[in-house]
Amino acid sequence: DSGVTQTPKHLITATGQRVTLRCSPRSGDLSVYWYQQSLDQGLQFLIQYYNGEERAKGNILERFSAQQFPDLHSELNLSSLELGDSALYFCASSVGAGGSYNEQFFGPGTRLTVL
Amino acid sequence: LAKTTQPISMDSYEGQEVNITCSHNNIATNDYITWYQQFPSQGPRFIIQGYKTKVTNEVASLFIPADRKSSTLSLPRVSLSDTAVYYCLVVPPTGGSYIPTFGRGTSLIVHP
Repeated sequence: DSGVTQTPKHLITATGQRVTLRCSPRSGDLSVYWYQQSLDQGLQFLIQYYNGEERAKGNILERFSAQQFPDLHSELNLSSLELGDSALYFCASSVGAGGSYNEQFFGPGTRLTVL
Repeated sequence: LAKTTQPISMDSYEGQEVNITCSHNNIATNDYITWYQQFPSQGPRFIIQGYKTKVTNEVASLFIPADRKSSTLSLPRVSLSDTAVYYCLVVPPTGGSYIPTFGRGTSLIVHP
């Protein structure tokens, strides 16, 4: 158990819908990272927040957005869902802003299925 | 940002030593080399990190030659439970706007 929690574990929805994935980092960690993992794309970095502020941005689609709240939990919002958005979504956390001194701890993931 | 190249897949048998090599030709002077392990249906977990020469912990060893253009993750006497995807990352010392690049990793299958 990494100490990072993600809800829900599974999510099944229809195309065009909007969903929200939630992540609670390890106690004391200030950074939250979001990743998407699909069979054809591997593990792709989406976005990082550090202490409430956006820190780094990867190939995150405009239909996707995220935020980190004052209690440091984070939410990833996915809208106008398409079949291709079906994937495992991981959240990770680290103590600091990132880099080699900040090991990332990953949550168990949310499996999103878009029908 | 230093790009990494590693084999897509490897096969081994229980009890053998497995070496996974990662190429990172344009690694920056202060970058570290970090490896993560991902079991099926789980999130990745950090296993080892190094800057130069050799690092060893209870899980693996990491060998980094003097030019640092490649690194080798060594798993001694693998078991079936070592079947996983292994990711090699080049990581700067501080975050900045660092983009973690995991890619597809190396899928290791250990056979009985």
